[in-house]
Amino acid sequence: KAGVTQTPRYLIKTRGQQVTLSCSPISGHRSVSWYQQTPGQGLQFLFEYFSETQRNKGNFPGRFSGRQFSNSRSEMNVSTLELGDSALYLCASSSADASTDTQYFGPGTRLTVL
Amino acid sequence: AQSVTQLDSHVSVSEGTPVLLRCNYSSSYSPSLFWYVQHPNKGLQLLLKYTSAATLVKGINGFEAEFKKSETSFHLTKPSAHMSDAAEYFCVVSRAGSGNTGKLIFGQGTTLQVKP
Repeated sequence: KAGVTQTPRYLIKTRGQQVTLSCSPISGHRSVSWYQQTPGQGLQFLFEYFSETQRNKGNFPGRFSGRQFSNSRSEMNVSTLELGDSALYLCASSSADASTDTQYFGPGTRLTVL
Repeated sequence: AQSVTQLDSHVSVSEGTPVLLRCNYSSSYSPSLFWYVQHPNKGLQLLLKYTSAATLVKGINGFEAEFKKSETSFHLTKPSAHMSDAAEYFCVVSRAGSGNTGKLIFGQGTTLQVKP
């Protein structure tokens, strides 16, 4: 089975722009979670989608949003980028109960905001 | 509320010597506990997972961890370090139930250095 894929792998944007990141889960997995990784804050949960519905959300501003399509692929969007949004964004997929089932991570998208 | 504390930000060992990475957790309910490893510029790879079956959990690459409820600990060990073990290790906790779906809570990470 192919693993979790994320595109693009690297992005450079400027402040004020918006960005869309994509995540394709492992075939058959219906849950996709997103995380932000920074040196200062570590790994923080952004949100989780299951069957096209957001089931859970972390403590991030409304500039961070996401969606999930019928094929379980997910996108996250960050609007009005700030310098502090520079981070590695990781997505993970799991089969159903993403809180206890194993989450499998993709390689991440490295976002740099200038 | 759940939380996890990794007691060492950096651990240095010589190749061939044992590895111990320490993790304490806090959870009001029976947690699921995980250890993940991240090599430079790579995503996270699951090493092992505890979900209330055996308290001693064996993982990949010779790693294992022991769940000790009385000490609220989930330390990761390996009998003999290999150069390829050099990476960042994350102790992770999660809990089932609405409001927790998809949410893993990560420790701050421990960087493992392996010296030749």
